[in-house]
Amino acid sequence: AQTVTQSQPEMSVQEAETVTLSCTYDTSENNYYLFWYKQPPSRQMILVIRQEAYKQQNATENRFSVNFQKAAKSFSLKISDSQLGDTAMYFCAFMKLANDYKLSFGAGTTVTVRA
Amino acid sequence: SQTIHQWPATLVQPVGSPLSLECTVEGTSNPNLYWYRQAAGRGLQLLFYSVGIGQISSEVPQNLSASRPQDRQFILSSKKLLLSDSGFYLCAWKVDREGEKLFFGSGTQLSVL
Repeated sequence: AQTVTQSQPEMSVQEAETVTLSCTYDTSENNYYLFWYKQPPSRQMILVIRQEAYKQQNATENRFSVNFQKAAKSFSLKISDSQLGDTAMYFCAFMKLANDYKLSFGAGTTVTVRA
Repeated sequence: SQTIHQWPATLVQPVGSPLSLECTVEGTSNPNLYWYRQAAGRGLQLLFYSVGIGQISSEVPQNLSASRPQDRQFILSSKKLLLSDSGFYLCAWKVDREGEKLFFGSGTQLSVL
């Protein structure tokens, strides 16, 4: 089974500044997908960004970008120009190919954006 | 458009009572469907998934069961709830043309007292 580790239980950032969340994973697979999901206080799980392991280029979605280091099995999320609406719990997740699209999640990092 | 409906939003049940949580997907056909559970302040744990009608795969042995009586309906059940069944239950789905990603319902907060 794949293990996803998020070592930062909580992080705080000033509005308009940048915060980086770390995620490491353990797998023997070569092809897979990595995700960051956001869970705001409403508890709705929202997909933030996705990365295919076969792509070297890091994924970006507006103010969200990742640093994917395949050899190091690291997948960090950078939130730039933080906004109050970014306050949420963020989960890193792993999906192995040809495995019925099952996701394995990390324990999550709570991000609080301060005004 | 494709949407997922999950109900009820909150549920308080006594220990030993039965459970039935329902998830329905609209606007698509033959989706993969999943039940996840989130303990307080924790990550999500996959409980069951289904790739088609009547096809159920269990990931974690426990007091719960799942059924898929129709293509777009996924039900999570228990005959007798335990205190440890408390948590936030999320239904998720995947459709081919959306790529390799899951979308989630709004969840059910279950409190077993």
